[in-house]
Amino acid sequence: DAGITQSPRHKVTETGTPVTLRCHQTENHRYMYWYRQDPGHGLRLIHYSYGVKDTDKGEVSDGYSVSRSKTEDFLLTLESATSSQTSVYFCAIRPGREATEAFFGQGTRLTVV
Amino acid sequence: DQQVKQNSPSLSVQEGRISILNCDYTNSMFDYFLWYKKYPAEGPTFLISISSIKDKNEDGRFTVFLNKSAKHLSLHIVPSQPGDSAVYFCAASASGANNLFFGTGTRLTVIP
Repeated sequence: DAGITQSPRHKVTETGTPVTLRCHQTENHRYMYWYRQDPGHGLRLIHYSYGVKDTDKGEVSDGYSVSRSKTEDFLLTLESATSSQTSVYFCAIRPGREATEAFFGQGTRLTVV
Repeated sequence: DQQVKQNSPSLSVQEGRISILNCDYTNSMFDYFLWYKKYPAEGPTFLISISSIKDKNEDGRFTVFLNKSAKHLSLHIVPSQPGDSAVYFCAASASGANNLFFGTGTRLTVIP
């Protein structure tokens, strides 16, 4: 299995509070991604990173920010959590962008009440 | 707008028979396609991929077919086993792009 660890695995938080999810990899892969999975929507990209301090938005980035200060860590922050951000969040890593598969973490189930 | 579409939310198949999962895409720039399998409470795991220079790729019981003119790919599982019961996602990417785009998934149930 690819060395990807997501933390926490489960979290319940209140509306309006900030939340940070962590993704840690031991593979030294360049690309890291945050996806959310929702019924009827599949996996949708929130943000991704193509190197330290290099990040870009995905298709559902509103309300989220990310940071990558080290190759191995990619943080996803919900500045002010809303109920619509209740979801399962997956981190993925990819060695390159050309014809390579992405490897996923175990997921973080976030509930905003 | 969904660039990768899986129009069948679910599929049930008898053990030993063939499972065929379908995927359509709209972006003609996509040139690399992947299938992932996902069990409950786990992350998606890579299953098989195909480049646009091929029309078929096989790995054991799993075969992916690509029809570029129709912008369609399919995953065949033969023979289907109960352990294949999972949600299957197709994904696509384009050369030079950083993104992987995923479909909405098809839940496969293999009946013993």
